[in-house]
Amino acid sequence: GAVVSQHPSRVICKSGTSVKIECRSLDFQATTMFWYRQFPKKSLMLMATSNEGSKATYEQGVEKDKFLINHASLTLSTLTVTSAHPEDSSFYICSALNSGTDEQYFGPGTRLTVT
Amino acid sequence: KQEVTQIPAALSVPEGENLVLNCSFTDSAIYNLQWFRQDPGKGLTSLLLIQSSQREQTSGRLNASLDKSSGRSTLYIAASQPGDSATYLCAVSGYSTLTFGKGTMLLVSP
Repeated sequence: GAVVSQHPSRVICKSGTSVKIECRSLDFQATTMFWYRQFPKKSLMLMATSNEGSKATYEQGVEKDKFLINHASLTLSTLTVTSAHPEDSSFYICSALNSGTDEQYFGPGTRLTVT
Repeated sequence: KQEVTQIPAALSVPEGENLVLNCSFTDSAIYNLQWFRQDPGKGLTSLLLIQSSQREQTSGRLNASLDKSSGRSTLYIAASQPGDSATYLCAVSGYSTLTFGKGTMLLVSP
């Protein structure tokens, strides 16, 4: 089946630094990818929709200058958490949409801890 | 390794019917269970979250139950409407993992 990878799987960084998370679709081209975050004991929430070659669409309440999304190719989207703070610590998960089948495939997630 | 199964894979009902979607998981050591709705080409919409210590959650016409010991959850939709047509996904959360079922595709006809 289709595979979506995320890198890194876990990252610990200091407050004030920036962290980049990569999401790759390994065996299909994805014009659309989605980024989610999950706080402890909270539901998974959609952050933004990433479209290849254009600007991402952010959900209400998500700071686009803080969570930079780049979808430069049909197999790679990146999420950069800029000037990270402890409240940004969360589980970030991406998904890639196979436009041919309309199926969405999820990455394994990245656990970010900001100290 | 956690495995999540959803039954049925697809369901077609006339408008107004009450219906139940089923989700089962193999490892009962979970933090929570979530139900999502997915419309074609769109991101997931969270419907209900049940913590591992809870038995059920309700939101409008939706009611989700959780029996952690038996590894089962159900999503009950009352008085279904055509706008409910979508794929419904169940996901269980561990410490650093999120495991999804394959979903139930629901079609509610007018």
